[in-house]
Amino acid sequence: AQRVTQPEKLLSVFKGAPVELKCNYSYSGSPELFWYVQYSRQRLQLLLRHISRESIKGFTADLNKGETSFHLKKPFAQEEDSAMYYCALRPLMNRDDKIIFGKGTRLHILP
Amino acid sequence: NAGVTQTPKFQVLKTGQSMTLQCAQDMNHEYMSWYRQDPGMGLRLIHYSVGAGITDQGEVPNGYNVSRSTTEDFPLRLLSAAPSQTSVYFCASSYGPGEGETQYFGPGTRLLVL
Repeated sequence: AQRVTQPEKLLSVFKGAPVELKCNYSYSGSPELFWYVQYSRQRLQLLLRHISRESIKGFTADLNKGETSFHLKKPFAQEEDSAMYYCALRPLMNRDDKIIFGKGTRLHILP
Repeated sequence: NAGVTQTPKFQVLKTGQSMTLQCAQDMNHEYMSWYRQDPGMGLRLIHYSVGAGITDQGEVPNGYNVSRSTTEDFPLRLLSAAPSQTSVYFCASSYGPGEGETQYFGPGTRLLVL
């Protein structure tokens, strides 16, 4: 069964410290993986996807097929990074299929 | 497929009354959301859900509650209606919330709070 697991509900990190939001997935085929972010009372928006290998707002995420993980990382946290982060999965070969979300991790950056 | 359905179509409430606006979709969409539309303003996001058991606040959540016990249903509850909640309410669903994802809207519920 397809499943996305984000083990941390809340992660508090000091400003300037490194950030790592964990995401593990379970999927038998080839997945497309995403990170979405929701800033306070704003719409959910796409942060990055693994196939584009880009860095957005200093965040990166590498797909590790051996560990079935897609952890989100940033070397130096900023206060504006405080938000809710969702990891998500969709079958790579079927873009019409639904996206499966994890339960989300709330990132709180301490001053 | 019926798509996204909303009930009721129209409702009049007195200040302080509570009610639930129903929304259902039969497209197996994970992402559902509630908006309100007021004259001269665009759609404003009230609450959204990325899947059963997961909900979060949008731009204007005060005075509203949601729950998502099944993939199909996403009811919006007004706890104690106020005249400021007079509006047209739209429910929407999509496979995902990202750019390029097609959102399917319900026909709307027109709410008048006296």
